[in-house]
Amino acid sequence: AQSVTQPDIHITVSEGASLELRCNYSYGATPYLFWYVQSPGQGLQLLLKYFSGDTLVQGIKGFEAEFKRSQSSFNLRKPSVHWSDAAEYFCAVGRLDGYNKLIFGAGTRLAVHP
Amino acid sequence: ETGVTQSPTHLIKTRGQQVTLRCSSQSGHNTVSWYQQALGQGPQFIFQYYREEENGRGNFPPRFSGLQFPNYSSELNVNALELDDSALYLCASSRDGGSNQPQHFGDGTRLSIL
Repeated sequence: AQSVTQPDIHITVSEGASLELRCNYSYGATPYLFWYVQSPGQGLQLLLKYFSGDTLVQGIKGFEAEFKRSQSSFNLRKPSVHWSDAAEYFCAVGRLDGYNKLIFGAGTRLAVHP
Repeated sequence: ETGVTQSPTHLIKTRGQQVTLRCSSQSGHNTVSWYQQALGQGPQFIFQYYREEENGRGNFPPRFSGLQFPNYSSELNVNALELDDSALYLCASSRDGGSNQPQHFGDGTRLSIL
């Protein structure tokens, strides 16, 4: 069965520090991969997506993610975190065939210390 | 470009009642998906509508039903509400039903069941 694992429930970093959020997926082939961010009381905003090609993907707000097929991972990174990055981050996979259904991980809540 | 809008923002119901949630898709989008996000969890796919037809369904009972209208707006109906139905309900629209089309989310409807 398709699944997404985000091993870290909570992460705390200091403002200006680097960030890496982990995501592992289980799927029969290389799926479409997404990272979304959710601020309190709001919906999900798409940060970046991977469909094929270059395994390092650039997104909005200075985020990037690297797809590693051998590790079934799609980790999100940011070189320098800002206080406004505090939010919940969700990794998701999309089906390669059929309709457009997203399978989400449980999320990682990011706290940023000044 | 108008984004995805959902109404109402919050709703309180009691067990056994029925509820209707509404979603207006983003301009140019003909596909709407609904997700349930319980507290502390990632969103779970309920179903998707593409050109007014149900295009796929997740593991939700038949008391969860939906509609899509000719203008591609959508409704989610839940009958015989249970306590476990308390959640944030998210609507997402995309340009079509293909998996390579990013989904754009609304801010959700927070449903509380007493």
